[in-house]
Parts: sequence; C-alpha cells; structure tokens
Amino acid sequence: AQKVTQAQTEISVVEKEDVTLDCVYETRDTTYYLFWYKQPPSGELVFLIRRNSFDEQNEISGRYSWNFQKSTSSFNFTITASQVVDSAVYFCALSEADTGRRALTFGSGTRLQVQP
Amino acid sequence: DGGITQSPKYLFRKEGQNVTLSCEQNLNHDAMYWYRQDPGQGLRLIYYSQIVNDFQKGDIAEGYSVSREKKESFPLTVTSAQKNPTAFYLCASSKQRYTDTQYFGPGTRLTVL
Repeated sequence: AQKVTQAQTEISVVEKEDVTLDCVYETRDTTYYLFWYKQPPSGELVFLIRRNSFDEQNEISGRYSWNFQKSTSSFNFTITASQVVDSAVYFCALSEADTGRRALTFGSGTRLQVQP
Repeated sequence: DGGITQSPKYLFRKEGQNVTLSCEQNLNHDAMYWYRQDPGQGLRLIYYSQIVNDFQKGDIAEGYSVSREKKESFPLTVTSAQKNPTAFYLCASSKQRYTDTQYFGPGTRLTVL
C-alpha cells in the first residue's frame, strides 16, 4: 500500500539558515508522481513541485531545491537561506498511476518555523 | 483570475444539522476533490469526481455526500451522520486525472457547536 512519511514534525531555524525537509514514500507502482505543497497560516495549500518517477534529475527553483532518489525512496526538499515568509507547514504527497487509487496520499506534514 | 473558491470561510453548525460547503472552479478542470484536514494531520480524501455526473468515495466518505451537476461546481454536504465533523475542509481540482497537479481552494473551517 502507498504511504508517505514525513518524520520531522516540526523544525525551527534562524533566518538565512539552510533547512532540509525529509520525505520518504512507499509504493509498488513503477509509475508514480511526487508533490510538495506549502500550507501557510492562511490554510490554502500552495503547489510547489510535481515530479514523475522516471525523472530523477534534481530541480532548483530560486531558493528551493528538490532531491529525488529512487534508491532510497526519498524526495527531500531544501530551502536555502531561509526567510520568515517560509514559515508554514509543508506536505509531501504521492500519486500512483498504475494501481488505481485515484487520489493523493499525503504525509502528515512538517511545520517549519523561521525565526528572525 | 482563474482559481478555486470555497464558501463560507468559517461555518458553525449545531449538532444534528446538515450543512453544505461550496466549491467552484473556473480553471476548466475535469476532476475535483474534497479533503478533510484535522489539526496536526495531513489531508484525507472524502470524495472525488473525474467527470460531471460521476463521483467516487474516498477514504472517509461516511457521513458526507456530494453532487457534480456542473463541471465548475462540486458541493459537499456534511450530514448529521458524520460523528465528528469539526475540521478544515479543502476542495481541489486537477486538469483531468488524479496524477495531474491538484490545485486547492482556500478552505472552509467547520465547527460543530
């Protein structure tokens, strides 16, 4: 069965520090998609990235970068030079294309607090 | 601007009452979803619809009902059969399939008094 684990419940850093949010997933499918979403205090989930299982290239977008490693079933998210505005709950999610569970499976989220 | 709207933002309900949460999208997406979020937890799927006039139960559908009469609209009714309805409800849509990126509305916070 599919599962997403975000072992870090809460992380606190000081502004300008780098921080990595861990995501480990379980799936039997060979074709699947991984996502990261940000949930600021307002509550709305903001889409950050979608990555398919056949594309293991790391991605960088400004201060954000993602490291996808199929060998360890991980899809970690790094924020470089964190800012107070990065404070939010971050969710990793999995969608499987083969087995027919037609939904996203979410991890329990990591709350990031960036102190000024 | 294209997006997903949910109303109301806050909703209070007395025990035993049914309430309906609104979700509208103008992204021309075929698929729509309802999730429930409890404090400190991830999102759990209530119902989803991949096409008009068709919808499927998710993981926690008991005590909820939906309709999909129009492509743009996917209202969720929380019935009195839902034993613990106090939660944050999020609606989402995606272009076609569930493997496409889902975009979320601002959410409705339901409190049962």
